[in-house]
Amino acid sequence: DIQMTQSPSSLSASVGDRVTITCRASQGISNYLAWLQQKPGKAPKSLIYGASTLQSGVPSRFSGSGSWTEFTLTISSLQPEDFATYYCQQYNDYPLTFGGGTKVEIK
Amino acid sequence: EVQLLESGGGLVQPGGSLRLSCAGSGFTFSNYAMSWVRQAPGKGLEWVSGISGSGGITYYTAGVKGRFTISRDNSNNALYLELNSLTAEDTALYYCAKGLWIGELSPPFDCWGQGTLVIVSS
Repeated sequence: DIQMTQSPSSLSASVGDRVTITCRASQGISNYLAWLQQKPGKAPKSLIYGASTLQSGVPSRFSGSGSWTEFTLTISSLQPEDFATYYCQQYNDYPLTFGGGTKVEIK
Repeated sequence: EVQLLESGGGLVQPGGSLRLSCAGSGFTFSNYAMSWVRQAPGKGLEWVSGISGSGGITYYTAGVKGRFTISRDNSNNALYLELNSLTAEDTALYYCAKGLWIGELSPPFDCWGQGTLVIVSS
């Protein structure tokens, strides 16, 4: 199985900050990498697929980059509604696997 | 508008069974692969099982293989997950998720349901 490792597991940031989350795959997955956002008590929301393509309706302050085993999610200017937990997920091969999550909290 | 609505969760004793359902609307259901993803209380996301649009190809995570069965009824726009031999470790919120692209077996997800809660306890 492909292991996905996210860092950090949590971070504190202020509104307006630039935030970067890293995801590493245990083997190469090309660009078959998605990012999801989950707010407390809510279902996950898909943000990015193909490592860098925004899902429809996702604000442009979100961006993704990387390929093969190293990926990043960047929020260029953190907004109040962005405080949530973020997960990476590989869909290169079954079983599909998720990272452990990064909780973005208010500083 | 694409919508997914799960049902069928509940409290079940260890060793028991449940059948989860996911009703899809707002899209041509048979065109898209679907998956079940679960989240134990306070934990992260875990993919459980996936199925092709036709229903002919299925996938499972190792921990549920032989105990869970995924299926779909495209005539009724419904996805199912049969859960058997349940243990406390299966306690979780179970989400169904829709694949983004037509025909792809291993697509990213673009839409998630709200989840149905399964509690395994005596």
